[in-house]
Amino acid sequence: KAGVTQTPRYLIKTRGQQVTLSCSPISGHRSVSWYQQTPGQGLQFLFEYFSETQRNKGNFPGRFSGRQFSNSRSEMNVSTLELGDSALYLCASSFSAAGGSDTQYFGPGTRLTVL
Amino acid sequence: DQQVKQNSPSLSVQEGRISILNCDYTNSMFDYFLWYKKYPAEGPTFLISISSIKDKNEDGRFTVFLNKSAKHLSLHIVPSQPGDSAVYFCAASGQGSGDKLTFGTGTRLAVRP
Repeated sequence: KAGVTQTPRYLIKTRGQQVTLSCSPISGHRSVSWYQQTPGQGLQFLFEYFSETQRNKGNFPGRFSGRQFSNSRSEMNVSTLELGDSALYLCASSFSAAGGSDTQYFGPGTRLTVL
Repeated sequence: DQQVKQNSPSLSVQEGRISILNCDYTNSMFDYFLWYKKYPAEGPTFLISISSIKDKNEDGRFTVFLNKSAKHLSLHIVPSQPGDSAVYFCAASGQGSGDKLTFGTGTRLAVRP
C-alpha cells in the first residue's frame, strides 16, 4: 500500500505570496491532518479534515486554510506569506479519526522557505 | 500552553545501553499516548502507543510506561542501536473521535557506536 504523499517536497516563496500544498492520504483513509513543524516548537496542529469537512482546527491565523476533496486528497493554502511561515508542513492520514486510538501516518513533508 | 512536554531536547547514549526518553502532560483528559520517531527529511513514523487503562506496553526493544498519577510517560529502548538515532516525539489525545493529537517538542537521541 502506498504511503502518504506530499507535493511539492520543497518550495521557496517570497513574503506576501501565497502557496498551496497538496497531500494524498493512504488509500482508504478518510482523515487528513496538517501540522507545522518549526525548530523548538514540535508539531503544531493546523487542522483536520474528515469526509471533506473540517473537523478540528488549531490556533493559527485565518491565512492558513485547507480543504479536502471527495477522494480524500487534501490541500493546504497559506496566503500573504510571512517569514515566520518558513517551516516543514506535514500531512498525516488515518482511517477514521485524527485523535483517539486511530494511528496517524505521516507523509515526508513539504519544506517551505519564505524569503 | 504546552500540554505535552519533553524537557530534554537531546540525549546521548552508548550503543547497547538503555535509552530512556521522558514526556510529561498536563491535560487530565488525555487518555491515549503515542511515540513517533523522525529521521531528517522524513515524516514521523509511528513507534508505539499506550492507552490509559494500561501502565506498560512492549514491542520488541521498545517499551512505553505510563504513570497516570504523575502525568508522565517514558519510552525505553533496550538495547539502543545506532539506527535508533533520531528525534522522538511523544503525543497525546483523548479517546473521542475527532480529538486532535497534541505533540511534544521532541527529544533528539544520539546512539554512539
